[in-house]
Amino acid sequence: LAKTTQPISMDSYEGQEVNITCSHNNIATNDYITWYQQFPSQGPRFIIQGYKTKVTNEVASLFIPADRKSSTLSLPRVSLSDTAVYYCLVGADNYGQNFVFGPGTRLSVLP
Amino acid sequence: GAGVSQTPSNKVTEKGKYVELRCDPISGHTALYWYRQSLGQGPEFLIYFQGTGAADDSGLPNDRFFAVRPEGSVSTLKIQRTERGDSAVYLCASSNSGAGDTQYFGPGTRLTVL
Repeated sequence: LAKTTQPISMDSYEGQEVNITCSHNNIATNDYITWYQQFPSQGPRFIIQGYKTKVTNEVASLFIPADRKSSTLSLPRVSLSDTAVYYCLVGADNYGQNFVFGPGTRLSVLP
Repeated sequence: GAGVSQTPSNKVTEKGKYVELRCDPISGHTALYWYRQSLGQGPEFLIYFQGTGAADDSGLPNDRFFAVRPEGSVSTLKIQRTERGDSAVYLCASSNSGAGDTQYFGPGTRLTVL
């Protein structure tokens, strides 16, 4: 069974803020939440990781509510180059069952 | 520094043939992962190495698939008696060590079985 649920696709316009929410109702105490970005013909690329509350880096913010059953990736002022597939992963230990990529969210940024 | 590299970038083979796919992880990374990605799908976990040993091979679909990492750096994914259903992009990733570390992915090898 998939551990996470995300919207299949989203559309946005350049300059807008985009929020992609991931549901992970069965998250375990030790699990971290990690988001990856993938462009066509490339491997996934790490964006951000968090455990609780809010994490921010130079490209994104990650909001995690107190119950940790969901998380929201926030991309400020997207550009055309942010068009990609975004994956949410939940896990802690390095075991295969934690490396479950769902179909991801296909973000299309329009001019 | 150099990232994860994979060779070849593309491999076309005939049904029934044997293929080897190579992964060069980031220097010093002890953990190495293989994934398979079909068109329109997310990566599917195959096997995870910690050092030279396969810590988790639960994702290998059957005994035609095998992977090695004899010296704890370069890894080779081996597929015997290839089938058309094996056609996919095979991705390799490495991480520094320990639980929850960021995985750094290579560009993948596109395998086409005719």
